[in-house]
Amino acid sequence: GQQLNQSPQSMFIQEGEDVSMNCTSSSIFNTWLWYKQEPGEGPVLLIALYKAGELTSNGRLTAQFGITRKDSFLNISASIPSDVGIYFCAGQLSEDSNSGYALNFGKGTSLLVTP
Amino acid sequence: DVKVTQSSRYLVKRTGEKVFLECVQDMDHENMFWYRQDPGLGLRLIYFSYDVKMKEKGDIPEGYSVSREKKERFSLILESASTNQTSMYLCAAIGALGVAFFGQGTRLTVV
Repeated sequence: GQQLNQSPQSMFIQEGEDVSMNCTSSSIFNTWLWYKQEPGEGPVLLIALYKAGELTSNGRLTAQFGITRKDSFLNISASIPSDVGIYFCAGQLSEDSNSGYALNFGKGTSLLVTP
Repeated sequence: DVKVTQSSRYLVKRTGEKVFLECVQDMDHENMFWYRQDPGLGLRLIYFSYDVKMKEKGDIPEGYSVSREKKERFSLILESASTNQTSMYLCAAIGALGVAFFGQGTRLTVV
């Protein structure tokens, strides 16, 4: 499968700051997904995006599906210590998920938040 | 949401042992996946299955095999464990609209 370009690799911020991370791809995707993984746990879905240009919020999190269908960003507003974790983007090539290459992942953004 | 359960959170095995990692999903979804996760390398696909008894190789299948005898269960097998297979293993099932749901992960250490 294709590895997505996710940046930044890591962020070290103070509580209350806003955070922004993004993913880019050389391929077009039909779906963009954002996951959070806490230490020792599996990734948990935060936001799913299905339409180019779509902007979706989940509490303090906002994500957008890029208009070119080759990128997506995730913003976290007013960060708190429990936002700590690794955030992954994933792009899906096809609505037909009978392919292991349907989901492609970024390498993750590691977020640290100090009180 | 799909619930995906991996049988062990932590495993320690000896080099050369045959290791079984089990994964069960509680919904009737066809597509299941095994990934390994290593620092700096992200998630890498080992094997996937889109139906009972069907399996396909992912990006790094060497040293692994899988079994899918029932729809809800997808097993990853390390035929002869080696130290370079020490890793976090993640199972996932794809639910409605193509969203992947992950298990809690198995941290495997091979000594």
